[in-house]
Amino acid sequence: GQNIDQPTEMTATEGAIVQINCTYQTSGFNGLFWYQQHAGEAPTFLSYNVLDGLEEKGRFSSFLSRSKGYSYLLLKELQMKDSASYLCAVSSPSNSGYALNFGKGTSLLVTP
Amino acid sequence: NAGVTQTPKFQVLKTGQSMTLQCAQDMNHEYMSWYRQDPGMGLRLIHYSVGAGITDQGEVPNGYNVSRSTTEDFPLRLLSAAPSQTSVYFCASGDRGRATNEKLFFGSGTQLSVL
Repeated sequence: GQNIDQPTEMTATEGAIVQINCTYQTSGFNGLFWYQQHAGEAPTFLSYNVLDGLEEKGRFSSFLSRSKGYSYLLLKELQMKDSASYLCAVSSPSNSGYALNFGKGTSLLVTP
Repeated sequence: NAGVTQTPKFQVLKTGQSMTLQCAQDMNHEYMSWYRQDPGMGLRLIHYSVGAGITDQGEVPNGYNVSRSTTEDFPLRLLSAAPSQTSVYFCASGDRGRATNEKLFFGSGTQLSVL
């Protein structure tokens, strides 16, 4: 089975740093993704981790520890436009190839 | 560049009616999938396909059928709509169906209401 957990909501101040955690228990692991979804829009890709460690991409970084079943997304220099839902997703092997399952998402509110 | 195209954007059905949600991609992606998104439930995988002629069930397949006769198209069929199927539906595609590190591209979504 798949179990992917994230906090439901977070609030942070413009210009600050926020860390969104994700823990997972899945039957097999092929990689972990983070997606951003603004209200009323489709999700868009942010990052991908398959090996342990930190992947940095501009203001966004993502960390993975496979032994702990743990990842986080770090957002630096927060901007108002970063207010969105952040979705953690795990790719796992399946009968026909692989399947990508999502957590319930973390709604981030950035305040002035 | 169209990307992933979903139609319709909005649909209202009566209980028991059938309909097909269309999804087409022009990126020659092997992997295609359908998700539903409900408040507080996140994105849940309904069905997916790693290539033409191959489909598989996700987390919540009951009440939905799919087929993949071409690389471009992956329609989702509701045979007898129920109020529990009221949701926002997203189609997504990715490159190289059996690779695991390819990001998904999402369509703009279909908001479905079943009365």
